[in-house]
Amino acid sequence: GAGVSQSPSNKVTEKGKDVELRCDPISGHTALYWYRQSLGQGLEFLIYFQGNSAPDKSGLPSDRFSAERTGGSVSTLTIQRTQQEDSAVYLCASSFNYEQYFGPGTRLTVT
Amino acid sequence: EDQVTQSPEALRLQEGESSSLNCSYTVSGLRGLFWYRQDPGKGPEFLFTLYSAGEEKEKERLKATLTKKESFLHITAPKPEDSATYLCAVIWSGYALNFGKGTSLLVTP
Repeated sequence: GAGVSQSPSNKVTEKGKDVELRCDPISGHTALYWYRQSLGQGLEFLIYFQGNSAPDKSGLPSDRFSAERTGGSVSTLTIQRTQQEDSAVYLCASSFNYEQYFGPGTRLTVT
Repeated sequence: EDQVTQSPEALRLQEGESSSLNCSYTVSGLRGLFWYRQDPGKGPEFLFTLYSAGEEKEKERLKATLTKKESFLHITAPKPEDSATYLCAVIWSGYALNFGKGTSLLVTP
C-alpha cells in the first residue's frame, strides 16, 4: 500500500519568510508525528497528533513552529519567520501502534 | 545527558564479515526499542521493535536482541547493499521516539 508522503521534497526560502510543509499519513493510521533531522543533532521529535486528542507540542523549539491536522488525516507544519537554524530535513511519520513509519522528508534550506 | 547512545559511530566491513552494532539506553520504564535503517536522502525505514529483555527478532541478515540496558543489531555475512545508517530509538514516555545518533555502516565488496 501507499506509504507516508510529504511535500515538497525540497524547499528553499529566504530568512524571515513563512513556510508550510505537508504530510499525508498512511491510510488508517491514527497517530501522526513530526521530527526534524539536522547535522549533529540527529532526529528530534517536534509534535504528535493522536486521533481527536489535543496534540503533544512538547518538542516544538519555538512559538514560530505550529502544526495542524485536518480531518484526522493530512497534517501541515508551519514555520513562521524562518531562521537559518531552521534548515534541516523535516520528517513525518504515522502509526497505528508504537511502530512508526516515516515519509521521505522535506529538505528545508533557509538562505 | 543522552538517553540513547549508539556505537560505533561508523563501521567499515568487508563483504561477509559479520559484526554487531550497539545501542545502550539509560531510561527506565522502557515501552519499546526500535531499529531503523536510513539510506542517504531518504526517511528512516522500520526494521524491528523489541519490547522486553530477552526478546530477539530476525530479518534476512539482521538480528536484533535486547537486554535491560542495551540492544545489539547483529549483521551476519553483510553485503554491500546493507550499507546505510542504522538508527536506534526508544519510547519511554508518551509516544515520541528518542533517537540515538546512529551508526554509519559501509560494506565493501
